[in-house]
Amino acid sequence: EVQLVESGGGLVQRGGSLRLSCAASGFTFSNSWMHWVRQTPEKGLVWVSHINGDGSGTTYADSVKGRFTISRDNAKNTLSLQMNSLRAEDTAVYYCARSFEHWGQGTLVTVSS
Amino acid sequence: DVVMTQSPLSLPVTLGQPASISCRSSQSLVHSDGNTYLYWFQQRPGQSPRRLIYKVSNRDSGVPDRFSGSGSGTDFTLKISRVEAEDVGVYYCMQGTYWPPWTFGQGTKVEIK
Repeated sequence: EVQLVESGGGLVQRGGSLRLSCAASGFTFSNSWMHWVRQTPEKGLVWVSHINGDGSGTTYADSVKGRFTISRDNAKNTLSLQMNSLRAEDTAVYYCARSFEHWGQGTLVTVSS
Repeated sequence: DVVMTQSPLSLPVTLGQPASISCRSSQSLVHSDGNTYLYWFQQRPGQSPRRLIYKVSNRDSGVPDRFSGSGSGTDFTLKISRVEAEDVGVYYCMQGTYWPPWTFGQGTKVEIK
């Protein structure tokens, strides 16, 4: 059974940093493209970032480029999202997803101003 | 970026009756490889998104056959042949032909009359 479990969310001040993790199991992690997607009631689902299987290729939404960094550890089956210079508009539930076929339960990030 | 526009945004339906959601893209989603990367997701209240349909019309494993996807080019439709109580939630379309970014529609809320 595919499982994706996010962690690391919480309350952080504007300008602060947070690191999200996603623990993956039940599939060959190193073969899978992984994504971060965030959700707010106002904007719905918004794609944030992607990384290919070996970590050599990454892409970002313009809204997070230069502030967020996606990475993966294939030995530990873990996906990460380092979020720096956080803004109020980064407040959202963040999901990790395997090729959009499987999704985690989400972790809430709240940026206080 | 490709803009995905769904209609209606709210869809009250009677149990046992059909329902239809439209999704239009700002440009054709036919990829140079011949595939059309249009997906449909269901998000039940309090749950993570779940992929229902991939590449326009292919149902994911475990998806009831009352769900069907169709369309081509810029116009796509998700149909529920007979709505059941468990179908309540928000439905999103998403394109994966022109990335980054992968882009979602605004979501259509399906509720029981």
